[in-house]
Amino acid sequence: EDQVTQSPEALRLQEGESSSLNCSYTVSGLRGLFWYRQDPGKGPEFLFTLYSAGEEKEKERLKATLTKKESFLHITAPKPEDSATYLCAVQSHNFNKFYFGSGTKLNVKP
Amino acid sequence: EAQVTQNPRYLITVTGKKLTVTCSQNMNHEYMSWYRQDPGLGLRQIYYSMNVEVTDKGDVPEGYKVSRKEKRNFPLILESPSPNQTSLYFCASSFRGAEAFFGQGTRLTVV
Repeated sequence: EDQVTQSPEALRLQEGESSSLNCSYTVSGLRGLFWYRQDPGKGPEFLFTLYSAGEEKEKERLKATLTKKESFLHITAPKPEDSATYLCAVQSHNFNKFYFGSGTKLNVKP
Repeated sequence: EAQVTQNPRYLITVTGKKLTVTCSQNMNHEYMSWYRQDPGLGLRQIYYSMNVEVTDKGDVPEGYKVSRKEKRNFPLILESPSPNQTSLYFCASSFRGAEAFFGQGTRLTVV
C-alpha cells in the first residue's frame, strides 16, 4: 500500500538552531517526491520536487534530499518566518495519484 | 497572476442538500485534483483529472463527483452531503502532475 509518514509531528526550534524533518515513503513506482509549505488558513505552497535517489535541491535556508526510502528537509539557521507546516507528498508512477504525509508543524522561536 | 480560485471559501449546509464547490485555474494546466484535509490525516486525494473529459478516483472518492468539461474548471459535487464530509477542501492544478498550485481552500461544515 502506498503511504507517506512524516516525523516528527511537531518541532520547536530556537532561531538559528538547525534541524531536519523526515519523510518516509512506500510507493509502487516513484514518479516524484514533493515538499510543500502550508501556513495557517492557506493552501500548500510548492517548495521542491525530487525525482531520483541522491538528488538534492536548495532554496534559501532549506535543503531537500532523497534516498530510495526517505527524504529529508534540512533547515539551516531557521528564522521565525520559517514557522509553518511542512508537507511531503509522493506521486505514484503507475496511477498518477498523489499521497501526502500528515505534515510536520515547525515553530521557530526568536 | 497565476492562480487557482475556489468558491465558496466557507460553506455551512445541511445533510442531504446537494452542493457544488467550484475550482478554476488560469495557467492552462492539464492536471487538476481535489483534496480534503482533516486533522491528523493530512491531505487525501479525492479525484483527479489528467485532461478534459478524463477523470479518475483518488484515495477517498466515496460521496463525491467531479466533471471536467473545460480545461480551466474542475467542480466538486456532493450529491447528498453527510456530516463526515465536514472538512477543509483544496483544489490544485499542475502541468502534467508536477508541482501543484493550490487554491485558498473551502471550509465545509455539514450539519
